[in-house]
Amino acid sequence: AQSVAQPEDQVNVAEGNPLTVKCTYSVSGNPYLFWYVQYPNRGLQFLLKYITGDNLVKGSYGFEAEFNKSQTSFHLKKPSALVSDSALYFCAGGGTDQTGANNLFFGTGTRLTVIP
Amino acid sequence: KAGVTQTPRYLIKTRGQQVTLSCSPISGHRSVSWYQQTPGQGLQFLFEYFSETQRNKGNFPGRFSGRQFSNSRSEMNVSTLELGDSALYLCASTAVGGSPGELFFGEGSRLTVL
Repeated sequence: AQSVAQPEDQVNVAEGNPLTVKCTYSVSGNPYLFWYVQYPNRGLQFLLKYITGDNLVKGSYGFEAEFNKSQTSFHLKKPSALVSDSALYFCAGGGTDQTGANNLFFGTGTRLTVIP
Repeated sequence: KAGVTQTPRYLIKTRGQQVTLSCSPISGHRSVSWYQQTPGQGLQFLFEYFSETQRNKGNFPGRFSGRQFSNSRSEMNVSTLELGDSALYLCASTAVGGSPGELFFGEGSRLTVL
């Protein structure tokens, strides 16, 4: 079965420090990978995606993610964290012809807290 | 441009009842997907509709159903509600020709089953 895993339920980082939210994947073929963010009592917002091409993907709000095929990882990163980045972050896979373009499978989420 | 609109935002039902949730996609978007979010199971895909046809379906019992209208608005229905159906139900839309998997989510309908 295809899946993504987020090994950390919670990540705390000081404001101004770099942040990393981890994701590993188990996907057959060429993976389509995504990051979404959810603020309290809100729906999800798309941050970025990897489909093919450069391993470093840039997205919204200064976030980027690095696709690493050998480690089957797709970690979300930001050079300098803001308090406003505090939210729930989801890694997702899917969106292919095999899974259905909009049939995503999500990780369990990582709660990021940026400490002032 | 208005975002994805879901109604109602909050509702309380009792076991055995049924519920209908509504989703209005972003203007011009023709694909609507539904997801269930619970603390225990996380985010799970329910189904996707495109041009009034169900295009994909997740692994949920037949009590969960949906439909899409000619104006792309979608409804989902859950019959014979169970306590475990308590969840945030999220609707998402995508544009025709949009990037696969790049979904625009509504704020959700939070269902509590007592």
